[in-house]
Amino acid sequence: DAGVTQSPTHLIKTRGQQVTLRCSPKSGHDTVSWYQQALGQGPQFIFQYYEEEERQRGNFPDRFSGHQFPNYSSELNVNALLLGDSALYLCASSSNDQPQHFGDGTRLSIL
Amino acid sequence: GQNIDQPTEMTATEGAIVQINCTYQTSGFNGLFWYQQHAGEAPTFLSYNVLDGLEEKGRFSSFLSRSKGYSYLLLKELQMKDSASYLCAVIRGTGGFKTIFGAGTRLFVKA
Repeated sequence: DAGVTQSPTHLIKTRGQQVTLRCSPKSGHDTVSWYQQALGQGPQFIFQYYEEEERQRGNFPDRFSGHQFPNYSSELNVNALLLGDSALYLCASSSNDQPQHFGDGTRLSIL
Repeated sequence: GQNIDQPTEMTATEGAIVQINCTYQTSGFNGLFWYQQHAGEAPTFLSYNVLDGLEEKGRFSSFLSRSKGYSYLLLKELQMKDSASYLCAVIRGTGGFKTIFGAGTRLFVKA
């Protein structure tokens, strides 16, 4: 039984570019949440998807957008990348209010 | 708004007991999680408290007092491998759950 899988594991972009990160939830989970984790900080909630709709959103600008597909997988898109967007991006899946299971993350570096 | 506070760093000795505290202020409280995160890895679930009291799971126990907005994680018989960051996270909301993480407590276990 595969857990949460994220791709790619590492990514390097330059300022102004756009990036798409992907996440497949753990089997049986229907809810996907995305987090940004800067070095030495706790994960910061970006948004949550359920039934292909954004259900909750954290304090992130509109440059951050997402999508959930019918198979529950999800994408995180970030436009007009800034140096400050360099971070570990974590995807977590869950069902109802049960504990979230995290993927290994995508480390994004902006040059 | 929401605010989660936990100590930045703690140091303890192998074989000892350590208590990591977490205080929170949030509306729509629906439960509290503790996660462990080793450097460079994804957070892994440790415990979940939704009612007041103590939850014990092997060497790890977690306590919650909703009226005081307070939780602690107790680690017994510390091992070197317990050196990690410990994240306190509050789940809030209805009809869509948002998990808010604290900045984490870095625990150093010394011989």
